[in-house]
Amino acid sequence: NAGVTQTPKFQVLKTGQSMTLQCAQDMNHEYMSWYRQDPGMGLRLIHYSVGAGITDQGEVPNGYNVSRSTTEDFPLRLLSAAPSQTSVYFCASTKSWGGGSPLHFGNGTRLTVT
Amino acid sequence: TQLLEQSPQFLSIQEGENLTVYCNSSSVFSSLQWYRQEPGEGPVLLVTVVTGGEVKKLKRLTFQFGDARKDSSLHITAAQPGDTGLYLCAVSGGGADGLTFGKGTHLIIQP
Repeated sequence: NAGVTQTPKFQVLKTGQSMTLQCAQDMNHEYMSWYRQDPGMGLRLIHYSVGAGITDQGEVPNGYNVSRSTTEDFPLRLLSAAPSQTSVYFCASTKSWGGGSPLHFGNGTRLTVT
Repeated sequence: TQLLEQSPQFLSIQEGENLTVYCNSSSVFSSLQWYRQEPGEGPVLLVTVVTGGEVKKLKRLTFQFGDARKDSSLHITAAQPGDTGLYLCAVSGGGADGLTFGKGTHLIIQP
């Protein structure tokens, strides 16, 4: 029973490099989202998707790109990494949006940009 | 203005003590969720409260939703080291843009 799987668990990048954070879920959830968690800032929504082929921006989308080609996968791309993107990134999924339905989180990717 | 204010930000107590943490807002919500996050892991849902005045119990944890559905509290009885973690409250605006989280209460229970 894997739930939400994120890879890698840790990553160090140099400024200007690009990379993709992987997220996969096996619960057939339509809704998936990416959050970043920073000390003193809490969890902030980056991008979300309500189904395959549909994505939208959250609170802090700049510098990130997403796509949703399948129900299972929702990768997050950093186009040109900056030190301000040093954070812990969480992918989450839920059966339905609009509140009430619990979010299932992965265990996070800790990213450091030097 | 932050949508959800959680207090206290940090709390360190001895095993066996009782404690209450709070989640407050000036807005009314249709539901509110509490999550617990342990180091190196993602948040895990503890409970969802829906009705004003609702009280839910999960073993030694008691959750209450305010009568006006603007606030919530989490009370832990006889805290244990396993209760250590970051406690987050979260609400939905009703749309597809996900949950909004408070900044959390960092709880440490010392043996």
